[in-house]
Amino acid sequence: AQTVTQSQPEMSVQEAETVTLSCTYDTSENNYYLFWYKQPPSRQMILVIRQEAYKQQNATENRFSVNFQKAAKSFSLKISDSQLGDTAMYFCAFMSYTGTASKLTFGTGTRLQVTL
Amino acid sequence: KAGVTQTPRYLIKTRGQQVTLSCSPISGHRSVSWYQQTPGQGLQFLFEYFSETQRNKGNFPGRFSGRQFSNSRSEMNVSTLELGDSALYLCASSFDGANNEKLFFGSGTQLSVL
Repeated sequence: AQTVTQSQPEMSVQEAETVTLSCTYDTSENNYYLFWYKQPPSRQMILVIRQEAYKQQNATENRFSVNFQKAAKSFSLKISDSQLGDTAMYFCAFMSYTGTASKLTFGTGTRLQVTL
Repeated sequence: KAGVTQTPRYLIKTRGQQVTLSCSPISGHRSVSWYQQTPGQGLQFLFEYFSETQRNKGNFPGRFSGRQFSNSRSEMNVSTLELGDSALYLCASSFDGANNEKLFFGSGTQLSVL
């Protein structure tokens, strides 16, 4: 079974600064997908970024980028130019390559607070 | 296009009762999955329905069940409620659940069991 670990329960960053959220995972599979989801107070889970394990290039989406280290089983999220609207819970998630899009294994989350 | 709609937003029940939660996926989406979110256990996969059939199931007792209708709307039922069933229940949909698809989540139903 896969496990996803987020070791930072809470983090804080000032507006316009950069912050990195950590995630490690454990799997015996070689092909898989990794995700970062954001859950604001509205409770709706929103996909931030997605990485295919077979791609060596790190995924980027505007101010969000990842540092994917497959050998180390590490998948960190960097948020640049932090904005107040980035305040939310952030979840790292794993999906087996042979699975369906619906079955994700989530980490315990990191609560990010962006301050003025 | 309307998003994933979950009803009701909040629900209060007492131990021993049963409850039914509803999820309407994005129009055209045929895969619906359910997750339970609690402070202690985090987010856990309950089950997935596709074309009215349960396709995947997580590790939950038989008190948790679901179904999907021909219009892809899904319901989740929990019987003989326990205090530990208090949680946010999230529903997500995708076109057919393929692993290269994006999941769209609803805002959840917050269930409190007293």
